[in-house]
Amino acid sequence: DTGVSQDPRHKITKRGQNVTFRCDPISEHNRLYWYRQTLGQGPEFLTYFQNEAQLEKSRLLSDRFSAERPKGSFSTLEIQRTEQGDSAMYLCASSRDKAYEQYFGPGTRLTVT
Amino acid sequence: AQSVTQLDSQVPVFEEAPVELRCNYSSSVSVYLFWYVQYPNQGLQLLLKYLSGSTLVESINGFEAEFNKSQTSFHLRKPSVHISDTAEYFCAVSSLYGGATNKLIFGTGTLLAVQP
Repeated sequence: DTGVSQDPRHKITKRGQNVTFRCDPISEHNRLYWYRQTLGQGPEFLTYFQNEAQLEKSRLLSDRFSAERPKGSFSTLEIQRTEQGDSAMYLCASSRDKAYEQYFGPGTRLTVT
Repeated sequence: AQSVTQLDSQVPVFEEAPVELRCNYSSSVSVYLFWYVQYPNQGLQLLLKYLSGSTLVESINGFEAEFNKSQTSFHLRKPSVHISDTAEYFCAVSSLYGGATNKLIFGTGTLLAVQP
């Protein structure tokens, strides 16, 4: 396993700009999750993919957020018209089908100025 | 719905002393339980998990946790900590009946600060 990778590791953007993050899961994992972690808090679930199908979205995922996993491999998370409240660490995790443990990437830290 | 409570936001301890990090959960259905560790500016690493079987689970670096169904707890312990154990520790649950998602519900974390 090469592990879950995320790109970029850090992103600084100005309020109102759009940003896109990428996640590459462990190769044989067909489940992919996005979480958001703010300072002093645990990660909070945002959305889940099984292969290319997005099967659940949290109410935290406003209409400015969109996620895709076009071929069931890598995934992207886009935030449009960023706000200062979007500043957080965005974590991606993957798991095998019918396995409950998830493996996390290093995260993308977003700072909105 | 599930929730996880980690009552201690920070636990200071001296090197080579024992430590216990507390985790309690609430759920109307059976759950799987996990401890993750997060070092500064890094993602989360799976430390140990309880899925079924023995209620005492161990990690490769000396941590252990015990699932107590009656007390809805999954406390993490280590008999002798090292400086390198300094990190944030997160307890998480996943419902056995979460449908297709199996999303993790996390506590707010406990910072283990090991002092020389």
